[in-house]
Amino acid sequence: DAGVTQSPTHLIKTRGQQVTLRCSPKSGHDTVSWYQQALGQGPQFIFQYYEEEERQRGNFPDRFSGHQFPNYSSELNVNALLLGDSALYLCASRSGGGGSPLHFGNGTRLTVT
Amino acid sequence: GENVEQHPSTLSVQEGDSAVIKCTYSDSASNYFPWYKQELGKGPQLIIDIRSNVGEKKDQRIAVTLNKTAKHFSLHITETQPEDSAVYFCAAPSGSARQLTFGSGTQLTVLP
Repeated sequence: DAGVTQSPTHLIKTRGQQVTLRCSPKSGHDTVSWYQQALGQGPQFIFQYYEEEERQRGNFPDRFSGHQFPNYSSELNVNALLLGDSALYLCASRSGGGGSPLHFGNGTRLTVT
Repeated sequence: GENVEQHPSTLSVQEGDSAVIKCTYSDSASNYFPWYKQELGKGPQLIIDIRSNVGEKKDQRIAVTLNKTAKHFSLHITETQPEDSAVYFCAAPSGSARQLTFGSGTQLTVLP
């Protein structure tokens, strides 16, 4: 039973560029959330997707956008990258819109130079 | 929104000793409290969770206690082993339970 899988594992981008990160949820899960984890800190909620719609958004600018596909997989897009966007981006999945256990992938390490 | 505070930020124990990590939360409506273990280079792994209708839950060497009145919950690890060394995060739900708010983490080091 595959868990949450993310790609790529590492990425280096230049300021101003755009990036797309990808996530496949754990088998049987239909809800995907994205979190940003800066070095030495806890994960910060970016947004959640359920039934292909953004259901809730954290305190992140519009440069951060996402998408969920009919097979429940998801993408996170970040435009106009800033140095401060360097972080570990975590995808998490669960069954149903909320209240069930959240399972995380191993993340994508994004470095912006 | 929810605010979660976690203590201590670092904790060193001798192998075989117990470790306790404490968290407080602000939203009295929160009803689900997970704990995650994060090893270097990996994502957070759910190790135990508790719902507000119980005061304690155990899973082998790991236990979590919840005090709803005081709005705090704790992780207890007994008979610690070197492989328990990792960063541990507590969390609480907010925003109609669609998101988790995490504590700042505890770096646990188990000394052999």
